[in-house]
Amino acid sequence: EAGVAQSPRYKIIEKRQSVAFWCNPISGHATLYWYQQILGQGPKLLIQFQNNGVVDDSQLPKDRFSAERLKGVDSTLKIQPAKLEDSAVYLCASSLLGGPNEQFFGPGTRLTVL
Amino acid sequence: LAKTTQPISMDSYEGQEVNITCSHNNIATNDYITWYQQFPSQGPRFIIQGYKTKVTNEVASLFIPADRKSSTLSLPRVSLSDTAVYYCLVGEEAAGNKLTFGGGTRVLVKP
Repeated sequence: EAGVAQSPRYKIIEKRQSVAFWCNPISGHATLYWYQQILGQGPKLLIQFQNNGVVDDSQLPKDRFSAERLKGVDSTLKIQPAKLEDSAVYLCASSLLGGPNEQFFGPGTRLTVL
Repeated sequence: LAKTTQPISMDSYEGQEVNITCSHNNIATNDYITWYQQFPSQGPRFIIQGYKTKVTNEVASLFIPADRKSSTLSLPRVSLSDTAVYYCLVGEEAAGNKLTFGGGTRVLVKP
């Protein structure tokens, strides 16, 4: 079974530029999560989708971050414009359903903002 | 919101049993406890999950006392490849089963 796919794996941009990350969850997984992990810290949930609807985006900085999950499958996370403090690893995870179900994580995208 | 507290780091030796205790004083009745493992440059990986008493799978055991204010992850006979960060999480049903990661415990297994 294929795991969660993410691209790109690495991205370097300058502040005020825009960037987008892509995630393809495990087939059949209804719930998709985006996390931000700053070096030395645990992952922080940015947004959770159930199919193509948003369940929780309380920690998403909506002035610069946006995410969508068209057709309830793939998802894109965008940052516009990027700030230095956005340098982090962006992890995508999926699970069969929300709740006490195992989350499967992708390898992440390491973003460096200069 | 339930918050977890776990040691920042632990050292162990190959072949030993490693026990990591996590406190979660504000856990609610229907919340569950989950542990994840993370290696450098990888996403976290599910280890084990439970509500109460003891849960065991092929890689670990999870012990949860009756008051559920803490839990202990037990890794039997660790090897060098078990060196990783281990996260204790409480899945909060009242918050839509949201998982909140803390800082984790860095376990270093020495030869």
